Amino acid sequence: DTAVSQTPKYLVTQMGNDKSIKCEQNLGHDTMYWYKQDSKKFLKIMFSYNNKELIINETVPNRFSPKSPDKAHLNLHINSLELGDSAVYFCASSQVPSVSSYNSPLHFGNGTRLTVT
Amino acid sequence: QKEVEQNSGPLSVPEGAIASLNCTYSDRVSQSFFWYRQYSGKSPELIMSIYSNGDKEDGRFTAQLNKASQYVSLLIRDSQPSDSATYLCAVTGSYIPTFGRGTSLIVHP
Repeated sequence: DTAVSQTPKYLVTQMGNDKSIKCEQNLGHDTMYWYKQDSKKFLKIMFSYNNKELIINETVPNRFSPKSPDKAHLNLHINSLELGDSAVYFCASSQVPSVSSYNSPLHFGNGTRLTVT
Repeated sequence: QKEVEQNSGPLSVPEGAIASLNCTYSDRVSQSFFWYRQYSGKSPELIMSIYSNGDKEDGRFTAQLNKASQYVSLLIRDSQPSDSATYLCAVTGSYIPTFGRGTSLIVHP
């Protein structure tokens, strides 16, 4: 199936641990994103990569580090997890050939529910 | 700071009625506008996209855009209980696809 897939679906861990979330898209899109959705459903952009290059880096603690080995993958590594990191993290992709063209909708993965205890 | 504003609701309508969801945005250079539907525990899915002023219809859904007023809306005709979800307005302009906080819609039989 063509889709955006992210793993794991659920992640429960203790404070201070380091964890990673993986994302892959086989839609042939040029741009991938990480969004954080809090308990009130607010989707906030964290990072965006266009063809493996970082183009958006919102105010996110540097404990969060995205890595894009190729344009089909955008992984998220989180160091020293804190209680406030608990949220649902969504990976998304879109066909945006350049930073001047923003007409494409986002295709979302199924989300990773991170719970930090 | 670019903002997208939505009434959080919940908006409650009876089955068969028209549900009207509204969204305003602050960035005047915004080019593309989207409505996503998100069921509880699921990921957002695209319902409608609109790029120019006026109305765009797709089945029971109509998106309306007024760039002068920086306003975009979504009308759902003949609302069904299966339409009960959170509706997210998204605006794309300079670099950042920005979402509103969503409006919770409840369609009661």
